Amino acid sequence: DTGVSQDPRHKITKRGQNVTFRCDPISEHNRLYWYRQTLGQGPEFLTYFQNEAQLEKSRLLSDRFSAERPKGSFSTLEIQRTEQGDSAMYLCASSLTGDMGYTFGSGTRLTVV
Amino acid sequence: AQSVTQLDSQVPVFEEAPVELRCNYSSSVSVYLFWYVQYPNQGLQLLLKYLSGSTLVESINGFEAEFNKSQTSFHLRKPSVHISDTAEYFCAVCYSGGYNKLIFGAGTRLAVHP
Repeated sequence: DTGVSQDPRHKITKRGQNVTFRCDPISEHNRLYWYRQTLGQGPEFLTYFQNEAQLEKSRLLSDRFSAERPKGSFSTLEIQRTEQGDSAMYLCASSLTGDMGYTFGSGTRLTVV
Repeated sequence: AQSVTQLDSQVPVFEEAPVELRCNYSSSVSVYLFWYVQYPNQGLQLLLKYLSGSTLVESINGFEAEFNKSQTSFHLRKPSVHISDTAEYFCAVCYSGGYNKLIFGAGTRLAVHP
């Protein structure tokens, strides 16, 4: 197992375009989290999946953001009509129920120009 | 509101000197506490965690942190730092009853100089 994988590592997009990121968690992990990290700040919680069910969403996740985890395996995070304020590192993490402390992926760095 | 405060945004220190990175969290009945480290251009790695039991927890690379419930603190310490410890350190708290959602501090950049 190679840990949590995120793709792409970097994404540059023009304002107004849609982008989609993918996260492949550790295979046996049933919990999956998305976080956003901006420069000089700690990661901020976006959303959480247990298996395929999205159980919690942050108020940071506006209507332009949507996340899915079909079949409880990989997850995608889509941002529609990107804005410059969306520029950030998007981090995915996974864990097992009852296991405290996640394993993070290396993140996807989004730059909106 | 639940929050984590890392009192120092940057800590410069000379190699082999001791260091303490401070972390305070907003009070709650039951918490779990974590320190993560982020090396340049890498993801977050779990350094150590406090779940229960002994209030002093240690990492494999010489860091330790002490849970102080009365002061709602979880400061990270190392008696002698190395150049390779240069990184961003994040304190995080998980409040019981949630979905293991972590709330992070803003981070402390540790810069170790020769």
